[in-house]
Amino acid sequence: SQELEQSPQSLIVQEGKNLTINCTSSKTLYGLYWYKQKYGEGLIFLMMLQKGGEEKSHEKITAKLDEKKQQSSLHITASQPSHAGIYLCGADKMGYQKVTFGTGTKLQVIP
Amino acid sequence: GAGVSQTPSNKVTEKGKYVELRCDPISGHTALYWYRQSLGQGPEFLIYFQGTGAADDSGLPNDRFFAVRPEGSVSTLKIQRTERGDSAVYLCASSTSTNTEAFFGQGTRLTVV
Repeated sequence: SQELEQSPQSLIVQEGKNLTINCTSSKTLYGLYWYKQKYGEGLIFLMMLQKGGEEKSHEKITAKLDEKKQQSSLHITASQPSHAGIYLCGADKMGYQKVTFGTGTKLQVIP
Repeated sequence: GAGVSQTPSNKVTEKGKYVELRCDPISGHTALYWYRQSLGQGPEFLIYFQGTGAADDSGLPNDRFFAVRPEGSVSTLKIQRTERGDSAVYLCASSTSTNTEAFFGQGTRLTVV
């Protein structure tokens, strides 16, 4: 079965600092999703990556999928308190969003 | 409504009871997904609908769980003879097609006591 490992499990950074969250798969990914979740809320879609070597950016968040499509990284530049939450990567193996999620990375940003 | 709506937002039930959780997807979205999220874990896939039919129900944990989407819009997740281990947040998501962004609802927090 598809397994995703995220690192680190939790992260505390000072406002303004950059940070990176990693997501590693045991198998080749069809699609890789990044979502953000705040406590008690649903998931907010950030990005979807499908092609090896693909990189996408949205505001201060950049995500990359490596050439072998087994690892992705999420990079936040100049972090802000609004970036705080749980970041989840998800693997789509079937092509229809039957997504297997990682356990998440909890991010705290200290003002 | 503008987003995916799930009701109720919270449900407390006694062990052994039957519960129904409702999901109103975004209008026009043909694909609908149910996930379950336990504390400290990522969401786990339960079932996927394309239109009225369940295209993939391989994530349903056992035959106490059942979901329907009779008219291709609203979906109901049904749990019979609830157990304490069923306690979790049940998330619903919908999308326009299978390979596009999925929009999630706020979830229903189910507590079985």
